[in-house]
Amino acid sequence: DGGITQSPKYLFRKEGQNVTLSCEQNLNHDAMYWYRQDPGQGLRLIYYSQIVNDFQKGDIAEGYSVSREKKESFPLTVTSAQKNPTAFYLCASSRQGAIYEQYFGPGTRLTVT
Amino acid sequence: EDQVTQSPEALRLQEGESSSLNCSYTVSGLRGLFWYRQDPGKGPEFLFTLYSAGEEKEKERLKATLTKKESFLHITAPKPEDSATYLCAVRISGGSQGNLIFGKGTKLSVKP
Repeated sequence: DGGITQSPKYLFRKEGQNVTLSCEQNLNHDAMYWYRQDPGQGLRLIYYSQIVNDFQKGDIAEGYSVSREKKESFPLTVTSAQKNPTAFYLCASSRQGAIYEQYFGPGTRLTVT
Repeated sequence: EDQVTQSPEALRLQEGESSSLNCSYTVSGLRGLFWYRQDPGKGPEFLFTLYSAGEEKEKERLKATLTKKESFLHITAPKPEDSATYLCAVRISGGSQGNLIFGKGTKLSVKP
């Protein structure tokens, strides 16, 4: 079955540590995205990538970094510079082009204490 | 400022009681409106895409419609398994290809 996988489902880290969230897709989609979801707020875009070895900042990129070395993979690193890292993180992918819908993974809940 | 507003924030229905969820938008050039369903602790599940005013899409008990200023998600004779948060998102012209603007969602509860 084609889909998007995110791991782990739950992640706990101490303040000051960097942490990397995994996102893999086997839908053969060119574009991939990272969103953050907080209670009472809409999804907010962190980073997106339309092609391998290229990515752009979204609305809330500060304190995050990404890489896109393979078409199937788009890992997100939450750095110690991110002031409020505790959140639900969602990865998505879509076909190339602005008109296509995005498909989401199951999410990773990150808790930083 | 481009904005997407969903109402109501929460909706409680009895099983079989039909109703509608609203998504209104003020954006500069709509290039697509997307509806998603999200269950607690899970990623959003894609439901519909609407591109132009007057367009309608249906799936089981759900029907999505689009006007120039808003979209409605009509739920006919809902069942408890329809309970979820429904998200609306828009893509605008001139925006980056990555940028969907999401509403905050409507949490639907259907009681048996």
